[in-house]
Amino acid sequence: QQQVKQSPQSLIVQKGGIPIINCAYENTAFDYFPWYQQFPGKGPALLIAIRPDVSEKKEGRFTISFNKSAKQFSLHIMDSQPGDSATYFCAVSREVTGTASKLTFGTGTRLQVTL
Amino acid sequence: NAGVTQTPKFRILKIGQSMTLQCTQDMNHNYMYWYRQDPGMGLKLIYYSVGAGITDKGEVPNGYNVSRSTTEDFPLRLELAAPSQTSVYFCASRRGQGRNEKLFFGSGTQLSVL
Repeated sequence: QQQVKQSPQSLIVQKGGIPIINCAYENTAFDYFPWYQQFPGKGPALLIAIRPDVSEKKEGRFTISFNKSAKQFSLHIMDSQPGDSATYFCAVSREVTGTASKLTFGTGTRLQVTL
Repeated sequence: NAGVTQTPKFRILKIGQSMTLQCTQDMNHNYMYWYRQDPGMGLKLIYYSVGAGITDKGEVPNGYNVSRSTTEDFPLRLELAAPSQTSVYFCASRRGQGRNEKLFFGSGTQLSVL
């Protein structure tokens, strides 16, 4: 059973557009929702993360929107640039005192930003 | 700081061969993880460690083994390579916890089993 479902699989936008990537989860116990960015030949790198006590978080051109009741969260990239072309992964985890939190990743979205 | 370093970057194995994927980090992180990445499947957790001498299974541990004798090193061992183990393997270490949690990934090892 997939714990987090990510869509779309791929996305092409023009420079300046606002790509939106969505993730949905089932387990309401999850309490940490990061997004990772991966360039070809590199490992993923943390982009931005949110906790369920807020509905939105912005860092530069990247925004996470979080809908706790719908169990969904999404990544918006404002004024997208060709340099944003990468694969984006959402992830979920649950922090349990005394144990290691373990991220469960979505299947990834390949974003291409064209000129 | 070099961060998380993985070797080798590429490897081709024959079915039944064994190998060790090396991972070392210089950030003094206690938590370390091994993931595999298959096309269209995201990253799946193989094994993780919360400190030297302590390891535990992740989601897909079959066919793999790990050890953690030092804080810095977390090697992944494939004993009898199978085609199903063809994948890209990523090692990661974790800084902080809760709101400050952040995973640092290596650049990966691309493994083909033929």
